[in-house]
Amino acid sequence: DAGVTQSPTHLIKTRGQQVTLRCSPKSGHDTVSWYQQALGQGPQFIFQYYEEEERQRGNFPDRFSGHQFPNYSSELNVNALLLGDSALYLCASSPIAGGFREQYFGPGTRLTVT
Amino acid sequence: GDSVTQMEGPVTLSEEAFLTINCTYTATGYPSLFWYVQYPGEGLQLLLKATKADDKGSNKGFEATYRKETTSFHLEKGSVQVSDSAVYFCALSVRLYAGGTSYGKLTFGQGTILTVHP
Repeated sequence: DAGVTQSPTHLIKTRGQQVTLRCSPKSGHDTVSWYQQALGQGPQFIFQYYEEEERQRGNFPDRFSGHQFPNYSSELNVNALLLGDSALYLCASSPIAGGFREQYFGPGTRLTVT
Repeated sequence: GDSVTQMEGPVTLSEEAFLTINCTYTATGYPSLFWYVQYPGEGLQLLLKATKADDKGSNKGFEATYRKETTSFHLEKGSVQVSDSAVYFCALSVRLYAGGTSYGKLTFGQGTILTVHP
């Protein structure tokens, strides 16, 4: 049973560029959440997708956007990259059926903005 | 809003020592509580959880009890091993309802670095 997978593993971008990160949820899960983890900090919630719609959003600017596909996979897009966007981006999945359950995390994508 | 406060780290112990990592929380509703662990270079793994007051979560020798009266969820292990060296995160989630479906997001503490020496 494959867990949550993310791609790419590492990414280096320049300020002002745009980036797309990808996530495939654990088998049987239909809800995907994205988190940003700065170095030495706990993860911060960006947004959550279910049925291809954004259901909740954390305190992140509109430069951060996402998408969920019919197969439940998801993308996180960040426009106009800033140095402060350098972080580990974590994707987590959970099953929505029966209500909220614990979230399972992928290994993350390490984004470095120079 | 919701928040989680963990004890200041890092924590350094000798193998077989007793471990306690304190965690307290503030929540707008009735939260579920979690401990996640992050090994170097990896994502987060769920260690244990508790969904209501007085529940005790346990896994791999770790345990934590949901204390509503003190809004705490302290992590304990009786005898740590070198392989337990990692960063430990306390987290909460308050269920939100919309359109007949419930959702939750995790709110994390800042993490506690644990190093265990042989």
